Amino acid sequence: QQPVQSPQAVILREGEDAVINCSSSKALYSVHWYRQKHGEAPVFLMILLKGGEQKGHEKISASFNEKKQQSSLYLTASQLSYSGTYFCGTAKSTGNQFYFGTGTSLTVIP
Amino acid sequence: SQTIHQWPATLVQPVGSPLSLECTVEGTSNPNLYWYRQAAGRGLQLLFYSVGIGQISSEVPQNLSASRPQDRQFILSSKKLLLSDSGFYLCAWSVRLREGREQYFGPGTRLTVT
Repeated sequence: QQPVQSPQAVILREGEDAVINCSSSKALYSVHWYRQKHGEAPVFLMILLKGGEQKGHEKISASFNEKKQQSSLYLTASQLSYSGTYFCGTAKSTGNQFYFGTGTSLTVIP
Repeated sequence: SQTIHQWPATLVQPVGSPLSLECTVEGTSNPNLYWYRQAAGRGLQLLFYSVGIGQISSEVPQNLSASRPQDRQFILSSKKLLLSDSGFYLCAWSVRLREGREQYFGPGTRLTVT
C-alpha cells in the first residue's frame, strides 16, 4: 500500500529544476506532499484532491493523474532551502488512513 | 491557530522497560490523531490512528498500544520495549470532516532503546 517515489535521491545546483514522482498500485483518493528537514518533523506542502488537479506555491507545484494513479512534484529554480526529504502521502477512500511514500532526498548545492 | 505538542523530545530507555509518549493538540476539536514511527533514514510508518475518544485503529501488530483518553490527547505506550522500537515517533492531527484531510505533525520524540 506504500506509494513508490522516484528518484530516491537527487542533487541539484541552485537554480536547477527537479521532478519527484509518486505512484501507487491502488486507487488514490488524494495526494499530499510533505518536506522533512533533517531531524525535524515533516511539513505539509500541498494536497491534491481530484484527478487533473494542479497546484502551486511560489516555485513548487504538483499535479495529480488519477487514472495513472500517480502524482508529480515540480521544483523550479531550486533554492538552498529546498533541501530535505520529500514524501508523498496517499489516503484510502475513507480518508482516515494515510500511507507515505518511500521518500526522495533532495540536496541543493551552491 | 492549532498547535500540537509532543513530549519528551528525546528518550533513552533500556530494553524491557515501559514507554509512554504523549501528544496533545490545541486549537481544534474532534481531530483525527495519528502515531507514526520513522526509523533512521527511512519513511513514515503509520502505527495507530484515532477518529474519536476511545477509538483506536492499529495498522501494524507489535508490542505498542495507543489510547485516546481525551479528545485532544493521544498516548503511545509499551509494556516492554524492544531494540527494534528505536526511532523517531511522530504524532499528527488532521481535521476530521475536511475532504482529503492534510496532516500536521508534532515535533516528534526521538527514542533510543539500549
